[in-house]
Amino acid sequence: DAKTTQPPSMDCAEGRAANLPCNHSTISGNEYVYWYRQIHSQGPQYIIHGLKNNETNEMASLIITEDRKSSTLILPHATLRDTAVYYCIVRAVNTGTASKLTFGTGTRLQVTL
Amino acid sequence: DAGITQSPRYKITETGRQVTLMCHQTWSHSYMFWYRQDLGHGLRLIYYSAAADITDKGEVPDGYVVSRSKTENFPLTLESATRSQTSVYFCASSDESVGNYGYTFGSGTRLTVV
Repeated sequence: DAKTTQPPSMDCAEGRAANLPCNHSTISGNEYVYWYRQIHSQGPQYIIHGLKNNETNEMASLIITEDRKSSTLILPHATLRDTAVYYCIVRAVNTGTASKLTFGTGTRLQVTL
Repeated sequence: DAGITQSPRYKITETGRQVTLMCHQTWSHSYMFWYRQDLGHGLRLIYYSAAADITDKGEVPDGYVVSRSKTENFPLTLESATRSQTSVYFCASSDESVGNYGYTFGSGTRLTVV
C-alpha cells in the first residue's frame, strides 16, 4: 500500500472548518483513500473514504485532487469532541487478499474554544 | 448486541505468564485483525485472518499466537508475556466487499506486564 504524509499537528477554533491535508503521491489506481480518527484511548473510528471523486457524509467531506496525489479531509464545523488523531491511509480493496490498514503517525488535531 | 467486543478491558499479568485476549464480532466479517499501540505511537499490525482457519503474520508477530476456529472469534495469546508486550491491543474486523467502510475496531484491551 502507498505511504502517506501528514502534518504532525494542527489547531482549529471551535465552529471553524478543519482542513486536514494528506499527501499520497505514490498511490496506485486501485487504492482508495481512507480517513480514520482516534479519540484518546478509544479504538480508531472510520470517517470517510474515496477513490477519485469527492465524497461527503454526515461527519466530513473528502476532497481528492484530480491526479489523486493528495487529499484533504474537511470537518465543516469543528467541535471540541473532534479533538483526536486523524489518520490518512491508502488501501487497495477487492484484491483477493487481506488489504491491511497500515497506520502512520497521523495528525493530532486540537480544537480550541 | 451487534458489534465487535474485546475482553478483558484491562489486564495485569506477570512476566512469563500466558494470557489470552478475546475478540468477538457479530457481523460475520471475513477478515479480522490484531493491532497493538504503544504510548505515543501509531498502531502496528500483529496478526490477521482472512477467514476461519486462515491466519497470517503482520508487522510485529513475535511472541504472539492466534487462532480462528470460528468466523466470529479471533483470540490473541501471549504465550510467555514480557514487559515489552505492555500495550493497548485493538481488534478489528472488515468486510472486503465493494464500497465497504474499512475496519471496525473494538474498544481495546489495556495489558500491563509486570
